[in-house]
Amino acid sequence: QVQLVQSGGEVKKPGASVKVSCKASGYTFSNYDINWVRQAPGQGLEWMGWISTHNGNTNYAQKVYDRVTMTTDTSTSTAYMELRSLRSDDTAVYYCARGLVSGFYFDYWGQGTLVTVSS
Amino acid sequence: IQMTQSPSSVSASVGDRVTITCRASQGISSWLAWYQQKPGKAPKLLIYAASSLQSGVPSRFSGSGSGTDFTLTISSLQPEDFATYYCQQADSFPLTFGGGTKVEI
Repeated sequence: QVQLVQSGGEVKKPGASVKVSCKASGYTFSNYDINWVRQAPGQGLEWMGWISTHNGNTNYAQKVYDRVTMTTDTSTSTAYMELRSLRSDDTAVYYCARGLVSGFYFDYWGQGTLVTVSS
Repeated sequence: IQMTQSPSSVSASVGDRVTITCRASQGISSWLAWYQQKPGKAPKLLIYAASSLQSGVPSRFSGSGSGTDFTLTISSLQPEDFATYYCQQADSFPLTFGGGTKVEI
């Protein structure tokens, strides 16, 4: 069965960096793209960016484009999202989500990783 | 592309028909999805391409619309349907979500 398993929660200080991993199983990793979506406490969903697992192409949301890097390791079927220069408003649950072949829809999601930014 | 959902919350009873609306700030053809999210859980894809039911999703969920106006309908609300629902446009980057609609008892 398809699974996306994310790394555990993190607590970071303002200005630090965090790298969240998302390990895929149950399907051919390079056939489906990965997106990252975050959700601040009590708030809605915010798309952060997309990465092609086929060629590594990326597209990032304007809000984070200068602080985020998304990568993949096809040898381990793992996607990564690194966010730098963390601020308090980056406190959120971060989700990886698999994209459907037919469009930018997300059919399988990771369990979420809570990143807390606090001094 | 801005996605605006209405209402932001709705109170309903088991067996009710519930309709949620999503409006895009510009035309997105049928590039729209609907998700259901329960507290502490990841979202679940219900509908994609505006009206295609995702595998395993009960047929009481349906989607319609194209262009700028879209609707998610739950034909007969069940206890497990109390959740927050989000629309998402898949037409162009940056992908965007609506603000959510909470379906409450």
